[in-house]
Amino acid sequence: QKEVEQDPGPLSVPEGAIVSLNCTYSNSAFQYFMWYRQYSRKGPELLMYTYSSGNKEDGRFTAQVDKSSKYISLFIRDSQPSDSATYLCAMSSMDSNYQLIWGAGTKLIIKP
Amino acid sequence: DSGVTQTPKHLITATGQRVTLRCSPRSGDLSVYWYQQSLDQGLQFLIHYYNGEERAKGNILERFSAQQFPDLHSELNLSSLELGDSALYFCASSVAAGGNGELFFGEGSRLTVL
Repeated sequence: QKEVEQDPGPLSVPEGAIVSLNCTYSNSAFQYFMWYRQYSRKGPELLMYTYSSGNKEDGRFTAQVDKSSKYISLFIRDSQPSDSATYLCAMSSMDSNYQLIWGAGTKLIIKP
Repeated sequence: DSGVTQTPKHLITATGQRVTLRCSPRSGDLSVYWYQQSLDQGLQFLIHYYNGEERAKGNILERFSAQQFPDLHSELNLSSLELGDSALYFCASSVAAGGNGELFFGEGSRLTVL
């Protein structure tokens, strides 16, 4: 079993829909949780960064961390075709010397 | 533009050959990470350097080696290349010594082994 599980998709939704992307993990020591967005043939870029549990909102994006369930989510409201990309979750802990452990990435397609 | 520069952008070579990929981190960043991404695969962590010293090794093959120089640029050397080494190789940099900081990724070096 991988430390971080993420459905590779693809996930295809119509423009304007609310998108929910998720990752589950097994290491309860993870403290830092990140979502990166990667456009085709480009390097990943940080989208959201959360420490420990709770929610964080940034414009149309909301990141949620549920440490009791070992589950993190990224919600995208009013999805746009420009949101079409691969979304990777990543997390780290002091135990692992803060080395990032990555999910496989979910490919998201927003249909106009 | 992330501020991380990788060269070359594209590289085509033959099996058995050796190549060197170069990375210049963002100004002020002391950490450099190397990742491999094969077609439809996630990011595979290879190695991490912080201020010239190796900090962590991931799934890096013995045929691969890396170093970070005093000016903080880094090179990833891939030798005895095999078809399966064809992939995108990303370099990322960070001001932090560990993964609790944001990583800034370069555009990648696309390696094709024929």
